[in-house]
Amino acid sequence: EADIYQTPRYLVIGTGKKITLECSQTMGHDKMYWYQQDPGMELHLIHYSYGVNSTEKGDLSSESTVSRIRTEHFPLTLESARPSHTSQYLCASSAGASTEAFFGQGTRLTVV
Amino acid sequence: GENVEQHPSTLSVQEGDSAVIKCTYSDSASNYFPWYKQELGKGPQLIIDIRSNVGEKKDQRIAVTLNKTAKHFSLHITETQPEDSAVYFCAASMEYGNKLVFGAGTILRVKS
Repeated sequence: EADIYQTPRYLVIGTGKKITLECSQTMGHDKMYWYQQDPGMELHLIHYSYGVNSTEKGDLSSESTVSRIRTEHFPLTLESARPSHTSQYLCASSAGASTEAFFGQGTRLTVV
Repeated sequence: GENVEQHPSTLSVQEGDSAVIKCTYSDSASNYFPWYKQELGKGPQLIIDIRSNVGEKKDQRIAVTLNKTAKHFSLHITETQPEDSAVYFCAASMEYGNKLVFGAGTILRVKS
């Protein structure tokens, strides 16, 4: 069982609200990732971090921001949610790029 | 950067038959190739991986083959069972890189 947790599992929120999706891992992994997964199922990397105080944008442009103040915590924030942000967001962590990535169960976000 | 293509996008097989999913990658520097299985409502989970110094790896009913010259790798599932029904993703990364690059996914349906 992977020790990576995402909260909330489901979130329905109104347009314009600020939201933070939480992701925590207890494995001491340096690398953490956020993926956006649409109904078409493809995983799009939107943010990654290879350690504390390091964050990079992924391959898919996103209006969200992330922070990495502690090794175990990698929250994602949307300052002003829009219906186009409706999607599933998956957090993952790994000890290195060429080792197993462990995924959380995801947050399904619906913006109305 | 790396690009991973995955085929087919959907695959239906009869219970007990074999299933094969194929991926190609573009960057010859990639040397780690994992396969993930995603069940409904869950995050992807690693099922098998292979490194570029190995041509084939097997774990019970699952096997992965790698052809470095042609830059493609494949997942083979034998004696399929209904519980094998899921979405499967291939991925590629470089040992000293910072991220995995995923294929678009294959929906596998095993009919009983």
